Amino acid sequence: AQTVTQSQPEMSVQEAETVTLSCTYDTSESDYYLFWYKQPPSRQMILVIRQEAYKQQNATENRFSVNFQKAAKSFSLKISDSQLGDAAMYFCAYSQRNRDDKIIFGKGTRLHILP
Amino acid sequence: EPEVTQTPSHQVTQMGQEVILRCVPISNHLYFYWYRQILGQKVEFLVSFYNNEISEKSEIFDDQFSVERPDGSNFTLKIRSTKLEDSAMYFCASRPNTEAFFGQGTRLTVV
Repeated sequence: AQTVTQSQPEMSVQEAETVTLSCTYDTSESDYYLFWYKQPPSRQMILVIRQEAYKQQNATENRFSVNFQKAAKSFSLKISDSQLGDAAMYFCAYSQRNRDDKIIFGKGTRLHILP
Repeated sequence: EPEVTQTPSHQVTQMGQEVILRCVPISNHLYFYWYRQILGQKVEFLVSFYNNEISEKSEIFDDQFSVERPDGSNFTLKIRSTKLEDSAMYFCASRPNTEAFFGQGTRLTVV
C-alpha cells in the first residue's frame, strides 16, 4: 500500500525568508502524481503545486517550488519570500495516475510565519 | 472559476440520527470522492465514485455510510445512525484526471 510521511509536525519561518517542508512516500508504482495542498484556518483544501512522476523537471508555481527525487521517493516543498498568508497546514499527497484513484495524504505540517 | 460546493457548512445532529451531506461537483468532472478530517488529524479517504457506482471505499466506510448521485449534479453522503466519533470535517472532491478539487467542507458535530 502507498504511504505518505511528513516528519515535521510544525515549522516556523521568519517573514520574507525561505522554508522547506519535507515529504517522503512509498509506492511500487512508476507513474503517479504528487501534490502539496494548503489548508488555512478556513479548513478549505487548496492545491499549491502538482508534480507528475514521469517529469524530471521540478514543478514551480510562483514562490512555491518542489524538489522531486524519484529514486529517493522524496518530495519537498520550498516556499520563498514567506508571507503571513502562507501560514497554514500543508499536506503532501500521492495519487496513482489512474483517473479514479484516491489521493493519499500525509499527516501534515503546520507552518507558522513569524512577523 | 468553477468550484465544488458543499452544503451545509455546519451540521449539528443528535447521536443516532441520520444526516445527509450534499455536494455539487464541478460539472465536467467524472470522479468524485468523500474524505473526512477529524479535528487536528490527517485527511482520510472514505469513498470514490465513478460512473454511478462506488469504485473504492475505505475501512471507515462501513454499512452506516452510503453515497448517491441522484440527479446528475448532486453527490451526497448519508450517515444512517450517527455516532459521536463521526464528528469531523467532511470534504467532497471531484477530479478531471489530475488533481482533486475540494469543496469548503461540512463540519459535522454529533452531540
